[in-house]
Amino acid sequence: DSGVTQTPKHLITATGQRVTLRCSPRSGDLSVYWYQQSLDQGLQFLIQYYNGEERAKGNILERFSAQQFPDLHSELNLSSLELGDSALYFCASGKQTAGLDEQYFGPGTRLTVT
Amino acid sequence: AQSVTQLDSQVPVFEEAPVELRCNYSSSVSVYLFWYVQYPNQGLQLLLKYLSGSTLVKGINGFEAEFNKSQTSFHLRKPSVHISDTAEYFCAVIPKWGATNKLIFGTGTLLAVQP
Repeated sequence: DSGVTQTPKHLITATGQRVTLRCSPRSGDLSVYWYQQSLDQGLQFLIQYYNGEERAKGNILERFSAQQFPDLHSELNLSSLELGDSALYFCASGKQTAGLDEQYFGPGTRLTVT
Repeated sequence: AQSVTQLDSQVPVFEEAPVELRCNYSSSVSVYLFWYVQYPNQGLQLLLKYLSGSTLVKGINGFEAEFNKSQTSFHLRKPSVHISDTAEYFCAVIPKWGATNKLIFGTGTLLAVQP
């Protein structure tokens, strides 16, 4: 158990819908990273937040957005869902934004778009 | 930009045999190197990492990896595998002195240990 929690574990929804994935980092960690794991693209970095502020963006679609709240939990919002958005979404947490920051991964949320 | 190549998508091996999973990277700057393991229906777990110093690093579960700067490789090895080592293994890098710690992953290698 990494100490990072993600909810829900599984999510099944239809095309065009909007969903919210939630991540709670380990106690004391200020950084949250979101990654997408799909058959087509493999494991890709989406976005990073540090203490409530966006720090880095990767291959995140405009239909996707994220935020980190004052209690440091983070949410990833996916809208206008397409079949290709079906994937495993991981969040990871770490203590700092620069220098080497070991990331601890949550168990993931499996999103299925039908 | 950085990229990570894992040429073997799947490596079948018999129990108690040695195994090597290959990883090569490309980067214009120095990088930190990592191996992660993903067991079925689970998240990613750090196996080992290379930051600096000795090029041979030891990790959990009896795994080790060797950093070779001239060949830009970071191959993972285990002298004797167990059925429980069956999992997906990912090599990853983080650029040193970068503004963020985003991990750049390879495509993964499925290690399939057979009895």
